[in-house]
Amino acid sequence: DTGVSQDPRHKITKRGQNVTFRCDPISEHNRLYWYRQTLGQGPEFLTYFQNEAQLEKSRLLSDRFSAERPKGSFSTLEIQRTEQGDSAMYLCASSSDIHYEQYFGPGTRLTVT
Amino acid sequence: QKEVEQDPGPLSVPEGAIVSLNCTYSNSAFQYFMWYRQYSRKGPELLMYTYSSGNKEDGRFTAQVDKSSKYISLFIRDSQPSDSATYLCAMQAGTALIFGKGTTLSVSS
Repeated sequence: DTGVSQDPRHKITKRGQNVTFRCDPISEHNRLYWYRQTLGQGPEFLTYFQNEAQLEKSRLLSDRFSAERPKGSFSTLEIQRTEQGDSAMYLCASSSDIHYEQYFGPGTRLTVT
Repeated sequence: QKEVEQDPGPLSVPEGAIVSLNCTYSNSAFQYFMWYRQYSRKGPELLMYTYSSGNKEDGRFTAQVDKSSKYISLFIRDSQPSDSATYLCAMQAGTALIFGKGTTLSVSS
């Protein structure tokens, strides 16, 4: 399978705990995006990487959120001190420099209890 | 007013019907327009990607963009039960995609 992959697919955590998600983009894509989707809503943009550089961050990305893409390949999204409002589907997408279509992974569903 | 408006439905049609899904938008800077299909608890799957105004056809799917009216449509011909999903319109001026809320479609056999 050469699509975008995400791990884990589902995470249940207690309020106040830290969680980390991983995204592996399509191999030839050097642009990587994180989105968040809550029930009944479309995905909302969080942040964007071109290679290893984080070039854009949404105001939705509070100080408790941090994203990295250390070698320009996979990316991680960490949420510190989780809150119940963080419960959502976290989606990763990737695209190339030539064709800007964004292809999404299966998502990580986070439940904060 | 949200940047992208999409009727959430639900929309129920019989198998074989022609389905019309629509979005309106307010930001005239949008130049790229997309339709994604999302099955329950899955990631969005890109169906159609168009640039500026006009029509694009791919199999049973036709996407239309009318920039003068700030209106985009997706038509599905000969709808199948497997088309039952949420359809999300998305638009792009810069890096981020701006999505509608999605329309839930149910096709009954």
